[in-house]
Amino acid sequence: GQSLEQPSEVTAVEGAIVQINCTYQTSGFYGLSWYQQHDGGAPTFLSYNALDGLEETGRFSSFLSRSDSYGYLLLQELQMKDSASYFCAVTGSGNTPLVFGKGTRLSVIA
Amino acid sequence: DAGVTQSPTHLIKTRGQHVTLRCSPISGHKSVSWYQQVLGQGPQFIFQYYEKEERGRGNFPDRFSARQFPNYSSELNVNALLLGDSALYLCASSFNGVDQPQHFGDGTRLSIL
Repeated sequence: GQSLEQPSEVTAVEGAIVQINCTYQTSGFYGLSWYQQHDGGAPTFLSYNALDGLEETGRFSSFLSRSDSYGYLLLQELQMKDSASYFCAVTGSGNTPLVFGKGTRLSVIA
Repeated sequence: DAGVTQSPTHLIKTRGQHVTLRCSPISGHKSVSWYQQVLGQGPQFIFQYYEKEERGRGNFPDRFSARQFPNYSSELNVNALLLGDSALYLCASSFNGVDQPQHFGDGTRLSIL
């Protein structure tokens, strides 16, 4: 089976940096994705790591260590609009396209 | 270009009824996946279709079924609705199903009374 662990809630100050960690257990592994979901909205894609290392996209970066079955999402220069739920998701073996974690609710405060 | 569209946006049903949810993928995308998202949880995989064939099925009872049409749109059917089926049902499309990103629609909010 596949399972992912991420913190349930994180609070950070506007302008700060926050890191959301994700550990996973999976039979077969293709890559780790991150999605953002605002209340009442659809999940939107943020990043994807198939290889070890850091991927940077603007204020958002994502890191993967396949040997440690671990990844994180780094959000810099936090803005109030970044308040949302963030999900890590694994693309594993078999015909399961995405297995999601339970999500981390990020609250950005002034 | 239009994104993934789902209909209806909201639906209220009673226990025992059946429901059909619809999804139109992004133009050019051949794969559609369905997810169920209960409040406070991450989306849970239900089905994936690629080129009109079922490619994968999650851990859901046989009351759940789906199909994909020649134009790559898809329907999710749920029979004998239970209170626990109340959730947001999300459709995601991609070119081949295992590529990233998966593009999600806004979902159908299903409430069972």
